[in-house]
Amino acid sequence: DTGVSQDPRHKITKRGQNVTFRCDPISEHNRLYWYRQTLGQGPEFLTYFQNEAQLEKSRLLSDRFSAERPKGSFSTLEIQRTEQGDSAMYLCASSAPGLAPDEQFFGPGTRLTVL
Amino acid sequence: QKEVEQDPGPLSVPEGAIVSLNCTYSNSAFQYFMWYRQYSRKGPELLMYTYSSGNKEDGRFTAQVDKSSKYISLFIRDSQPSDSATYLCAITPGNYQLIWGAGTKLIIKP
Repeated sequence: DTGVSQDPRHKITKRGQNVTFRCDPISEHNRLYWYRQTLGQGPEFLTYFQNEAQLEKSRLLSDRFSAERPKGSFSTLEIQRTEQGDSAMYLCASSAPGLAPDEQFFGPGTRLTVL
Repeated sequence: QKEVEQDPGPLSVPEGAIVSLNCTYSNSAFQYFMWYRQYSRKGPELLMYTYSSGNKEDGRFTAQVDKSSKYISLFIRDSQPSDSATYLCAITPGNYQLIWGAGTKLIIKP
């Protein structure tokens, strides 16, 4: 399967713990995005990478959230000191350069439950 | 007011019916109008997109844009139970920024 993959698919954690999610984009895609989606809502933009550079970060994102994309390949999203309000589906997407519109391909998501 | 409004449904129709899904938007600067389908507990997948006004057809799916009314539609002909999913509209000025609707849950009854 050459699509976007995410790991883990599900994560249950206790409030106050740190969690880290991984995303592997489609190999030839240099753009990578993280979104958060709650029930009954569309995806909410979190951050965007072009290669290894983080070019945009939502103002809605607190300092507890950090994302990296070393070497411009896979990416990780870490949430520190999780809160119950962080419970959501975390989606990763990737896209190829030079297309208009930017056709984003999504992974299956990581569902986070904070107890 | 949200930039993109979409009725969350659910919309329940019998198999074989024509389905009409709609969104309204407020910013006339948007150029591209996209429809994503999302099955339960899966990521969204791009169905089709249109640029500016007009219609675009792909098999049983037709996307329609009316920029004068700031209104976009997705029509599904000969609907199948496998079409049951949440349909999300997304609009963009053409760069990486996607402005999403909340999604309409569609149920096709056999």
